[in-house]
Amino acid sequence: GAVVSQHPSRVICKSGTSVKIECRSLDFQATTMFWYRQFPKKSLMLMATSNEGSKATYEQGVEKDKFLINHASLTLSTLTVTSAHPEDSSFYICSAEGQDYNSPLHFGNGTRLTVT
Amino acid sequence: AQTVTQSQPEMSVQEAETVTLSCTYDTSESDYYLFWYKQPPSRQMILVIRQEAYKQQNATENRFSVNFQKAAKSFSLKISDSQLGDAAMYFCAYRSANTGNQFYFGTGTSLTVIP
Repeated sequence: GAVVSQHPSRVICKSGTSVKIECRSLDFQATTMFWYRQFPKKSLMLMATSNEGSKATYEQGVEKDKFLINHASLTLSTLTVTSAHPEDSSFYICSAEGQDYNSPLHFGNGTRLTVT
Repeated sequence: AQTVTQSQPEMSVQEAETVTLSCTYDTSESDYYLFWYKQPPSRQMILVIRQEAYKQQNATENRFSVNFQKAAKSFSLKISDSQLGDAAMYFCAYRSANTGNQFYFGTGTSLTVIP
């Protein structure tokens, strides 16, 4: 149980275009989803916290107009990288937790974004 | 914000031996949760073990166990009978039980298992 599906796993796009990454909780309702960015051999950097039906809370230094997050339902959150640049190339991971506050995070498989 | 420190960027262990990964954290709270996550080359984050701060008994999951020292704010992970599949990045994580639901991750320890 507690499966989180993230799509796509890899995407290559050109500078200036936008890319949407989906994160779905397949067998549970996720009231909160988190979006992380991970640089090679580094830890996970929290970008934003997404709560169903409300605006996402962004961490300091993360541009909310560039990284658009939508959490329209209890099973789906999306991250859109707008006007992508090569420096946005990274590994993005979503995670979700259920309605039990005591539950651990369940992670998606991540998305490798390459901007050319 | 809480900080989680993993002082060992890299560790290695012989297959079938035991290794301990260290983690310390800084918090003024008394109620929280601690986790160890494993990230193999596939990049999938996998929960290894969790510990509730109010429990004195150390958590155990098969070959994985923790040494939770609340006063010292230490949460080490012991891997017994190491296997080749244990090779991965290991992240220690902290989550408050009171002030929000954010997870704080350490910088990770890269574990190599030597055949």
